[in-house]
Amino acid sequence: KAGVTQTPRYLIKTRGQQVTLSCSPISGHRSVSWYQQTPGQGLQFLFEYFSETQRNKGNFPGRFSGRQFSNSRSEMNVSTLELGDSALYLCASSLAETGGIEKLFFGSGTQLSVL
Amino acid sequence: AQKVTQAQTEISVVEKEDVTLDCVYETRDTTYYLFWYKQPPSGELVFLIRRNSFDEQNEISGRYSWNFQKSTSSFNFTITASQVVDSAVYFCALSEGSGGTSYGKLTFGQGTILTVHP
Repeated sequence: KAGVTQTPRYLIKTRGQQVTLSCSPISGHRSVSWYQQTPGQGLQFLFEYFSETQRNKGNFPGRFSGRQFSNSRSEMNVSTLELGDSALYLCASSLAETGGIEKLFFGSGTQLSVL
Repeated sequence: AQKVTQAQTEISVVEKEDVTLDCVYETRDTTYYLFWYKQPPSGELVFLIRRNSFDEQNEISGRYSWNFQKSTSSFNFTITASQVVDSAVYFCALSEGSGGTSYGKLTFGQGTILTVHP
């Protein structure tokens, strides 16, 4: 069974640009979560999608957005990039079983560098 | 607000030594789950264990063992007879159980960098 796939693996952008990152979850997983990892702030939750609906959101500005498609694939978008947006962006998928806390399966991430 | 503290930023050991990674958590919820993840240089977080707040039994899986103590709000992780392949960053994480699901949100500690030397 294929794991969580994130593309691209590396990305370099300049301030003010926008970027879109892609995530394909494990087959059969309907929940996709996004995390930002930086040396200073560590791992921080961005948002979670289930059946094309955002169910949960972290404390990030509106420049960070996401969506999920009917096949459970997800994209996240960052507009008007700032230097501080440089980070490893990790996507995770889960079965979102009812009645319990999901075990998250993570991808290898997209390393975004903003110059 | 919930919080996870991993006080050990870096640990360096020689192969075959035992090593314990500490994790202390804070939450107001009575129902919660604790996790450990491993992050090798490739970047992906690898799931190691999930434990709910009602199950205080220690767990052993091969060379790995976990000690959960609600009285001290700790969930420590021990690697016995460490190997070079154990070198990675290890994260402890907490998920609250309100509503029966956390909707993908985990609160992570800052991580402990473990280096095992041959």
